[in-house]
Amino acid sequence: NAGVTQTPKFQVLKTGQSMTLQCAQDMNHEYMSWYRQDPGMGLRLIHYSVGAGITDQGEVPNGYNVSRSTTEDFPLRLLSAAPSQTSVYFCASSIRSGNQPQHFGDGTRLSIL
Amino acid sequence: GESVGLHLPTLSVQEGDNSIINCAYSNSASDYFIWYKQESGKGPQFIIDIRSNMDKRQGQRVTVLLNKTVKHLSLQIAATQPGDSAVYFCAETRGSYIPTFGRGTSLIVHP
Repeated sequence: NAGVTQTPKFQVLKTGQSMTLQCAQDMNHEYMSWYRQDPGMGLRLIHYSVGAGITDQGEVPNGYNVSRSTTEDFPLRLLSAAPSQTSVYFCASSIRSGNQPQHFGDGTRLSIL
Repeated sequence: GESVGLHLPTLSVQEGDNSIINCAYSNSASDYFIWYKQESGKGPQFIIDIRSNMDKRQGQRVTVLLNKTVKHLSLQIAATQPGDSAVYFCAETRGSYIPTFGRGTSLIVHP
């Protein structure tokens, strides 16, 4: 099993550009989530999904969209990139939400110029 | 331990010493707690978990202690090694709710 795979690993964008961060898991996990991590801060939840076809907002959803058309994939879309979205983005999955450890990808390092 | 601010709390230890990393959690109703380790350039990795009906759980070289009275969680690492250098996060959750992560503590192990 590959676990949680995130692509790309690095990306530089110009302000106003859009892009999609990809996340795929091969563990048949129902719960998937996206976090951003900024220096000196913990993980902040952007969006999450408890199953295919179901998504919801986390703590910092503005400027991001998600969809969950399959159990395996949970892409994160930046609609119009802003410098404040420069961060490291992590995707995670678990069997279900709540009382389960999450499996994290190795992150996408995104810089917005 | 973990605290609010731009800089992560840092714990420096000598190789071979025992390390204790602390976490104060916020929700007295939380019933499941996890410790994660994050090495530089990688995603967080699960270390050990504990449920609220326990006050201690041991793994390989790691022990988690839970004090529900004061809402405190700690991670003890025995015989700390250079490979233990990383940022350690605690997380709390309740039922099927989404977990809440602490800010992290940076552990530096000196050879």
